Amino acid sequence: GQNIDQPTEMTATEGAIVQINCTYQTSGFNGLFWYQQHAGEAPTFLSYNVLDGLEEKGRFSSFLSRSKGYSYLLLKELQMKDSASYLCAPTDSNYQLIWGAGTKLIIKP
Amino acid sequence: IAGITQAPTSQILAAGRRMTLRCTQDMRHNAMYWYRQDLGLGLRLIHYSNTAGTTGKGEVPDGYSVSRANTDDFPLTLASAVPSQTSVYFCASSDGAGANVLTFGAGSRLTVL
Repeated sequence: GQNIDQPTEMTATEGAIVQINCTYQTSGFNGLFWYQQHAGEAPTFLSYNVLDGLEEKGRFSSFLSRSKGYSYLLLKELQMKDSASYLCAPTDSNYQLIWGAGTKLIIKP
Repeated sequence: IAGITQAPTSQILAAGRRMTLRCTQDMRHNAMYWYRQDLGLGLRLIHYSNTAGTTGKGEVPDGYSVSRANTDDFPLTLASAVPSQTSVYFCASSDGAGANVLTFGAGSRLTVL
């Protein structure tokens, strides 16, 4: 079967670093996406990993280990505007995204 | 501004009524998708279209139908709405049918009473 597991909610402090983990099982694999979704808004693209390793993009980085079925999203220098849900979405053999329920990140001053 | 337009933004309707959610994109993307998002669950794919003139069923297609008469429009129809179809519906598009970045519309919040 296909399964995505990520924490339901996390809390962090403004200016700090937070790591959001995602483990997955899919029928085939063609890369993994991370999306950000602010409350009441549409998801927006953050990152895509298809090879093992770390992809860095400004304050955000995403890591993938295909052999472990594991990814994480690392957010540095947290800002209040980073309060949002973060959606992990691996792709299956048909390139369809399989969506996790998302991790709600709460940033405190 | 390039992107996806969904209508209506929000709608309340009685069970048994027919409802069409509209989705239009101006990016000339080949692939389009309809998802529903419910609290505590991930986005679930209802129907998709890899190119104009073709459609396919996603994870939760029952009770929904779609058409793709042209590249830009991808309406979603609920033939006879039921309360379990209360949800937020997102239309999305991508440049191709592979592992491409999805662009989402703002969503349509539907309540079926």
